Amino acid sequence: DPKIIQKPKYLVAVTGSEKILICEQYLGHNAMYWYRQSAKKPLEFMFSYSYQKLMDNQTASSRFQPQSSKKNHLDLQITALKPDDSATYFCASSQGGQGDAEQFFGPGTRLTVL
Amino acid sequence: TQTVSQSDAHVTVFEGDSVELRCNYSYGGSIYLSWYIQHHGHGLQFLLKYYSGNPVVQGVNGFEAEFSKSDSSFHLRKASVHWSDSAVYFCAVSAPQGGRALIFGTGTTVSVSP
Repeated sequence: DPKIIQKPKYLVAVTGSEKILICEQYLGHNAMYWYRQSAKKPLEFMFSYSYQKLMDNQTASSRFQPQSSKKNHLDLQITALKPDDSATYFCASSQGGQGDAEQFFGPGTRLTVL
Repeated sequence: TQTVSQSDAHVTVFEGDSVELRCNYSYGGSIYLSWYIQHHGHGLQFLLKYYSGNPVVQGVNGFEAEFSKSDSSFHLRKASVHWSDSAVYFCAVSAPQGGRALIFGTGTTVSVSP
């Protein structure tokens, strides 16, 4: 059974629209993360949450807003979508939010913005 | 600022050969070093990590990595590769202080030929 669920697997959006990427983890972890992987850039860290509170944010744009409605959920809302936002977005989780905690990754959501 | 460099974009080996993937990092303080593997179309999976102690660490599926402070390196090795080892390998660093972000290298694609 998948331990980290990301929905949808594929997503196509038009420029200027808004989308929400879903992430749920069933590992009992207390820290969750979002990363982005695109053809132009290597894997980039975006956000980290610990006990549903934002800990780190290395995303320059406020168009990206994580939302944690439950402790095992960390969704990512993206507004005013641009073609440059096209990427695969990975959710991850770990037990503990320190640097040595092994992170477990979901299968990703591939977003294409037209 | 932490940086990670993986000098080889692509490595091709034959099944049964050994392989070494290079990773060099730049950071002034203590860091955690890890390797992750990404099979095509999937999320990342943890292989191994190092923080202190024995500079040679063992990971899953016969992988090991060796830390060298003098060379600022954390190279990954496997003595005998299998076709299923074909994947992209990412070296990552994270810092203990507020160290929730994994900073990834650009990845090395390993292709194992029969």
